[in-house]
Amino acid sequence: DFQMTQSPSSLSASVGDRVTITCRASQGIGNSLAWYQQKPGKVPQVLIYAASTLQSGVPSRFRGSGYGTDFTLTISSLQPEDVATYYCQKYDVGPLTFGGGTKVEIK
Amino acid sequence: QVTLKESGPVLVKPTETLTLTCTVSGLSLSTDKKGVSWIRQPPGKALEWLAHIYSSDGKSYNTSLRGRLSISKDTSKSQVVLSMINMDPVDTATYYCALITEGSSSRAFDYWGQGTLVTVSS
Repeated sequence: DFQMTQSPSSLSASVGDRVTITCRASQGIGNSLAWYQQKPGKVPQVLIYAASTLQSGVPSRFRGSGYGTDFTLTISSLQPEDVATYYCQKYDVGPLTFGGGTKVEIK
Repeated sequence: QVTLKESGPVLVKPTETLTLTCTVSGLSLSTDKKGVSWIRQPPGKALEWLAHIYSSDGKSYNTSLRGRLSISKDTSKSQVVLSMINMDPVDTATYYCALITEGSSSRAFDYWGQGTLVTVSS
């Protein structure tokens, strides 16, 4: 079965730190990878699609990279409002699997 | 303005069938190249993709739940319906529907409903 493996499952970092989250697909998916941000009690929102394209309105401190099986979400300077759980997802053809999520907290 | 709204029962009993409806407003499911997925999230846990219906009416299901899920759409009503049979307390979750534009202009699932919490309990 197709799997998206996301790591770490949680992290704690200081304001201003650089944060990196990785996502690995069990098979190549080209650039059909999205990153979502879900703040506590809220609906997920797409941050990045096509692996590296920033959704309109998303701060430039968020950056996505990767192709094929290995992908990365980087927050260049962590801000208090970035406290959330982040998910990767393959979204081209089914199964449209999500990664297990990374909970980001402020130290 | 595109909106999605989930509707259905808030409480179902074990072994019953859950039927949820996603009503899409602000665009046409019949003329626009849009697909709709159902996604769920148990309390305090991760998102889990369940099923997807394409503009072509093709369907895809989470293989771990194969046999329990059925997705369909009524384009005249702009609705997508998910049925899940043999519900169990572990299926207690917030159920979301989400919309994606197909093809090269896709921005992944850029529209989501607010979600509906379904509790499975006798």
